[in-house]
Amino acid sequence: GQNIDQPTEMTATEGAIVQINCTYQTSGFNGLFWYQQHAGEAPTFLSYNVLDGLEEKGRFSSFLSRSKGYSYLLLKELQMKDSASYLCAVRDQGRNTPLVFGKGTRLSVIA
Amino acid sequence: DGGITQSPKYLFRKEGQNVTLSCEQNLNHDAMYWYRQDPGQGLRLIYYSQIVNDFQKGDIAEGYSVSREKKESFPLTVTSAQKNPTAFYLCASNNPNSNQPQHFGDGTRLSIL
Repeated sequence: GQNIDQPTEMTATEGAIVQINCTYQTSGFNGLFWYQQHAGEAPTFLSYNVLDGLEEKGRFSSFLSRSKGYSYLLLKELQMKDSASYLCAVRDQGRNTPLVFGKGTRLSVIA
Repeated sequence: DGGITQSPKYLFRKEGQNVTLSCEQNLNHDAMYWYRQDPGQGLRLIYYSQIVNDFQKGDIAEGYSVSREKKESFPLTVTSAQKNPTAFYLCASNNPNSNQPQHFGDGTRLSIL
């Protein structure tokens, strides 16, 4: 079966750093994606990992360990506008297969 | 501008009625997807299509139907057989056989009257 786990909710302070974890158990692995979704809006792509290690993109970084079935999204210098849901998604087979999404982590940034 | 257009943004359905949600893309993507999202839930795959005139069932296809007569268009029909259709519906597209992420439309919120 396929299982992707993320914490349901997190709260962090403006200006701080937050790490959102994602663990997955899938029949295969061919890439992990992170999306940001504001309430009532479409998800927007943040990052993609297919090899172990850290990918950095401005205030956002994403890490992958394939042996542990584990990824995290790191958000630095948090801003109020970062309050959103963050979705972890795995492509478990070939490149032409759909993504499998976790339930998302709702992040609240407080002053 | 290139993108994915979903319409309408809000849709109301009466009991026993079929409704069709539109999804059009001008990104020249081969693959298109329909997801359903319920409050506090992740995205669940309804149907997807990797090429014109072909489509595959996702995890929750019962009560839904699709067609893919044109590359640009992938309409979703919510039939009366879908007993709990109230949800946020998202359409996405990408080019398969690549590492491209899926791009999403703005969604259609369907409610039962």
